[in-house]
Amino acid sequence: NAGVTQTPKFQVLKTGQSMTLQCAQDMNHEYMSWYRQDPGMGLRLIHYSVGAGITDQGEVPNGYNVSRSTTEDFPLRLLSAAPSQTSVYFCASSFGQGASDEQFFGPGTRLTVL
Amino acid sequence: AQTVTQSQPEMSVQEAETVTLSCTYDTSESDYYLFWYKQPPSRQMILVIRQEAYKQQNATENRFSVNFQKAAKSFSLKISDSQLGDAAMYFCAYRWGRGAQKLVFGQGTRLTINP
Repeated sequence: NAGVTQTPKFQVLKTGQSMTLQCAQDMNHEYMSWYRQDPGMGLRLIHYSVGAGITDQGEVPNGYNVSRSTTEDFPLRLLSAAPSQTSVYFCASSFGQGASDEQFFGPGTRLTVL
Repeated sequence: AQTVTQSQPEMSVQEAETVTLSCTYDTSESDYYLFWYKQPPSRQMILVIRQEAYKQQNATENRFSVNFQKAAKSFSLKISDSQLGDAAMYFCAYRWGRGAQKLVFGQGTRLTINP
């Protein structure tokens, strides 16, 4: 299994540009999430999904859209990038919501918005 | 809202010695889980140890153990026999017991191991 994969690893955007961060998992996990990590801070939840076709907002959802058309994929869209969205983005997945259901994290995408 | 606080931005320890990282949290829930994650320079988030709030026994994973004080809302991580490979950012995290997997993270503690 490849686990949780994210593409790209690095990206530089200009203010106002749009892009999609890709996330895929091959573990048949129902739960998937997007977090952002800013310097000096822990990860903060952007959006999450409890299954295909079901998404919900996390702590910092503004400026981001998500969709979940398949179990495997959970892309994160920035419609009009802003410098405040410069961050490292992590995707995570887990099989369920029990105590033993560990969240597996992808390697992260470092995004810079100029 | 639940919050997680790590009051030690940086810690250092001599190789082979023991270090304790602190974490406090605030919640009104009785059913929740607590975690410690390790983030080495590779940025990969690695689960170190987890604790269910309903369990009184402190969790242990090899050289890693926790001191879970539920009444005080404290959850510290003890690393015994520190190794160079333990150098990393360590994040304490909270998750509500019911509902979807939504982690709330502390700000992190950077741990340096001195040879």
